[in-house]
Amino acid sequence: DVKVTQSSRYLVKRTGEKVFLECVQDMDHENMFWYRQDPGLGLRLIYFSYDVKMKEKGDIPEGYSVSREKKERFSLILESASTNQTSMYLCASSLGQSNSPLHFGNGTRLTVT
Amino acid sequence: QQQVKQSPQSLIVQKGGIPIINCAYENTAFDYFPWYQQFPGKGPALLIAIRPDVSEKKEGRFTISFNKSAKQFSLHIMDSQPGDSATYFCAASRSRRGFQKLVFGTGTRLLVSP
Repeated sequence: DVKVTQSSRYLVKRTGEKVFLECVQDMDHENMFWYRQDPGLGLRLIYFSYDVKMKEKGDIPEGYSVSREKKERFSLILESASTNQTSMYLCASSLGQSNSPLHFGNGTRLTVT
Repeated sequence: QQQVKQSPQSLIVQKGGIPIINCAYENTAFDYFPWYQQFPGKGPALLIAIRPDVSEKKEGRFTISFNKSAKQFSLHIMDSQPGDSATYFCAASRSRRGFQKLVFGTGTRLLVSP
């Protein structure tokens, strides 16, 4: 089974802090994604990466950046956390084929106070 | 701008009932329509998917109906069970070489009562 592991289940940070969310997948998938999930808004794509060191903006990239230095690891960075970034963050990975299913981690619940 | 509209937001059915969740899309370039199922505390997982060259797809008790002209698709769960209680997300994407950029609906929280 594909395993996508997110480093923290819950995280509490203060406004203005720099926050790192880490994600690791163990199936040699080419693609990795970061989504945020908010009630009534569904899942919205923040950034994705289709290869090491390659990244592309999703629908809501403002206030975020990403890093993919190794194939198995994809990091989401909040440069200066704000309260409106309080959310559930989901990492996913998929094979490098069209319509290959996304495999999600169990999420990181981030609270910014 | 929401490109995939999902309804209802929540749904309660009795065991054995047939819940139906509907989605509508705007972008005619979309050519892949998956449904994801999410249990509390877990990430979403692919349940079933359809391409627009067919009008219906069944996998076990789950069926997708697809109406290309109306730009709508729906999920039907036959003989629903309490274990089907979860949040369901429809999604759509336009095939690109090597990856898919899914646009998700807002989700439907389904409760199947015993």
